[in-house]
Amino acid sequence: QLVLTQSPSASASLGASVKLTCTLSSGHSSYAIAWHQQQPEKGPRYLMKLNSDGSHSKGDGIPDRFSGSSSGAERYLTISSLQSEDEADYYCQTWGTGIGVFGGGTKLTVL
Amino acid sequence: QLQLQESGPGLVKPSETLSLTCTVSGGSISSSSYYWGWIRQPPGKGLEWIGSIYYSGSTYYNPSLKSRVTISVDTSKNQFSLKLSSVTAADTAVYYCARQARLLLFPVQVDYWGQGTLVTVSS
Repeated sequence: QLVLTQSPSASASLGASVKLTCTLSSGHSSYAIAWHQQQPEKGPRYLMKLNSDGSHSKGDGIPDRFSGSSSGAERYLTISSLQSEDEADYYCQTWGTGIGVFGGGTKLTVL
Repeated sequence: QLQLQESGPGLVKPSETLSLTCTVSGGSISSSSYYWGWIRQPPGKGLEWIGSIYYSGSTYYNPSLKSRVTISVDTSKNQFSLKLSSVTAADTAVYYCARQARLLLFPVQVDYWGQGTLVTVSS
């Protein structure tokens, strides 16, 4: 079964970097994912598509501070030079043959 | 700039059918490169994919909702719609419409989101 696992919460200081993790279920380590950001009281926003080889393509207007990388079944979102507006929920998404799946989300707190 | 806007009743009675429409502007729903999807988010919870449709009418649904969901498309109006039957309080959520890229005939990543609309199921 295709499942995405995310830690419920993460925190980092203003100006620092943080690396969020999304883990694909067993047997699905070659799958691409997408990262989405949801700021408080707002709808989600597409950040990027991230492939298993670490290559990624970002959405319109996404700052260079956001980058993605991959290792095995893990997909990472790194945010550098953290700003207050980066405090948000971050969701990963993947897809099978006609099936869409979201991870449970990580709530990022900027200290 | 692509925009997606959800519309429909904000309150639905239990056992009735929830109906929402998404109007797409700034792009054609008949593009061969995209699917059009519905995703929901119960209050305080995460995102759940409901289903997706191609402009030709080809659909994919979440197996857990498949028996109650119908997604349709009206290319003349650049709109697509969601119907969810026999609703209960558990269907109370913010409902988002979205554009999804198409790869090898299947919907893949969401790359544009609507702003969402809250639907409450209550008598």
